[in-house]
Amino acid sequence: EAGVAQSPRYKIIEKRQSVAFWCNPISGHATLYWYQQILGQGPKLLIQFQNNGVVDDSQLPKDRFSAERLKGVDSTLKIQPAKLEDSAVYLCASSLAGRTGEKLFFGSGTQLSVL
Amino acid sequence: DAKTTQPTSMDCAEGRAANLPCNHSTISGNEYVYWYRQIHSQGPQYIIHGLKNNETNEMASLIITEDRKSSTLILPHATLRDTAVYYCIVRAIQGAQKLVFGQGTRLTINP
Repeated sequence: EAGVAQSPRYKIIEKRQSVAFWCNPISGHATLYWYQQILGQGPKLLIQFQNNGVVDDSQLPKDRFSAERLKGVDSTLKIQPAKLEDSAVYLCASSLAGRTGEKLFFGSGTQLSVL
Repeated sequence: DAKTTQPTSMDCAEGRAANLPCNHSTISGNEYVYWYRQIHSQGPQYIIHGLKNNETNEMASLIITEDRKSSTLILPHATLRDTAVYYCIVRAIQGAQKLVFGQGTRLTINP
């Protein structure tokens, strides 16, 4: 079974530039999550989708971050404009239906460096 | 905010059992205990979860105290590949509850 695919694996940009990350969840998984992991910390949930609808985006900095999941499959996370403090690993995860008791499957993440 | 307390780091000898404690003294009756681990440069990986009974799978065992205020993850025969950060998480039963990660325990398996 293929896992959660993310790209790119690494990205280096200058502050105020824009960047986008892509995620392809496990086939059939209705729920998709984007997490931000700053060095030395645990992952922090940015946004959760159920199919193509947003379930939770309470910790998404909406002035600069946006995410979409068109057709309820792939998802993109965008940052515009980037700040130095956005340097982190961005992890995508998916689960079957988002119910408690289900496992979340994570991708390897995109490591973003903002200079 | 994370509702669990874990030691920052632990060491264990290869081949021995690794016992990772977690305190969740404010856990509610409708919350599960989950364990995930994160190997360097990878995303977190699910290990096990439980409500009040002890659980065992191919990766580990989970021992939850009778009052449910603490738990222990046991890796019975630790290998070098078990070196990782281990996260203990509590998560409600109802609804599509998110996973809230804390700092975790950095477990180092020594040869």
